[in-house]
Amino acid sequence: DSGVTQTPKHLITATGQRVTLRCSPRSGDLSVYWYQQSLDQGLQFLIQYYNGEERAKGNILERFSAQQFPDLHSELNLSSLELGDSALYFCASSLYVGVGELFFGEGSRLTVL
Amino acid sequence: SQQGEEDPQALSIQEGENATMNCSYKTSINNLQWYRQNSGRGLVHLILIRSNEREKHSGRLRVTLDTSKKSSSLLITASRAADTASYFCATDNYGGATNKLIFGTGTLLAVQP
Repeated sequence: DSGVTQTPKHLITATGQRVTLRCSPRSGDLSVYWYQQSLDQGLQFLIQYYNGEERAKGNILERFSAQQFPDLHSELNLSSLELGDSALYFCASSLYVGVGELFFGEGSRLTVL
Repeated sequence: SQQGEEDPQALSIQEGENATMNCSYKTSINNLQWYRQNSGRGLVHLILIRSNEREKHSGRLRVTLDTSKKSSSLLITASRAADTASYFCATDNYGGATNKLIFGTGTLLAVQP
């Protein structure tokens, strides 16, 4: 158990809808990372927050947004969903703002029908 | 975008044999990490090697890093069926952004009992 909690574990929704994925980092970790994993794109870095502030951005679509709250949990919002957004979304946390060892949650599997 | 590429894409060996996976990356790095992912699960950190290190060991794992060739290798000795998983290398400092940890395409290792 990594100590990182992601909810929901599975989510099935329709195109055009909006969903929110939630992540609670490991106790004491200030950095949260979001990744998307799909068969055709592999593991793609989306965004990183450190202590509530956005610190790095990757291949995150404009339809997607994220934030980190004062209690350090993070949410990834996906809107106007398309079939291609179906993927496994991972949250990871680490203690530092710079990259070190990441602790991954078990992921949220999103299926868009 | 992928910073690293693992080779081979898939590897099948017998229990007790050694498994070697290679990773090539494109830009200069501070650190390189290796992660393991069991099917559909979260990634688990295996080992981190700094850019000024050439070799590192952890249990049955041996990692080498050649920054002149921009490549790394992961050796798993005396493999076990439980080592069956996907293995990913991950590098930081992609495009100078030290907060991004970018994953490679992965090697799927199957260890036959």
